[in-house]
Amino acid sequence: QVQLQESGPGLVKPSETLSLTCTVSGGSIYGYYWSWIRQPPGKGLEWIGCIFYSGSTIYNPSLKSRVTISADMSKNQISLKLRSVTAADTAVYYCARDQRGTSALDYWGQGTLVTVSP
Amino acid sequence: EIVLTQSPGTLSLSPGERATLSCRASQSVGSGYLAWYQQKPGQAPRLLIYGTSSRATGIPDRFSGSGSGTDFTLTISRLEPEDFAVYCCQQYGNSPRTFGQGTKVEIK
Repeated sequence: QVQLQESGPGLVKPSETLSLTCTVSGGSIYGYYWSWIRQPPGKGLEWIGCIFYSGSTIYNPSLKSRVTISADMSKNQISLKLRSVTAADTAVYYCARDQRGTSALDYWGQGTLVTVSP
Repeated sequence: EIVLTQSPGTLSLSPGERATLSCRASQSVGSGYLAWYQQKPGQAPRLLIYGTSSRATGIPDRFSGSGSGTDFTLTISRLEPEDFAVYCCQQYGNSPRTFGQGTKVEIK
């Protein structure tokens, strides 16, 4: 059974960089797309972007100038960096796997809350 | 970007009743690439339906999806106690992928 686990600081200061890691167990990142999604408290889901295991990326234009997603096959990890954060970036951040052959998200991490505050 | 509008915002029903949830897109969803997710408080979303009408692995057949173009529907034929949750649609036929704001199915 594939499992995803997000990790990283729960508190980030405004203007700094949010950095999260998604560790995949029970399966390889090889051959799949992997996405990051966020959900502000009490609000809906927002797709941040995705990466193919080989490194090609697609970003949401609304965040593209501040986002970098990377993959490390040796560690079976996906990473997210979001620069110049503000309070509007406070959210639960999820990593998820694109179902093979579609881009529906079939496996999700439990999510991690990141708060942007001084 | 494609905006997905879900209705109603809240659906109050009793166990055993039928639930019909709507997801309307601001433009046609390419190739019917529309998914539905269930989310319970404090949990990650769970994939129910992909490709408009295909059930994900392990999803009971009381969940069904239909639609095309800009209008999509999730139907729960008979609500079980564990089905009371928030449901959201997502399109992945056009970039960026977008989600609807969700419909809450609550116990009446």
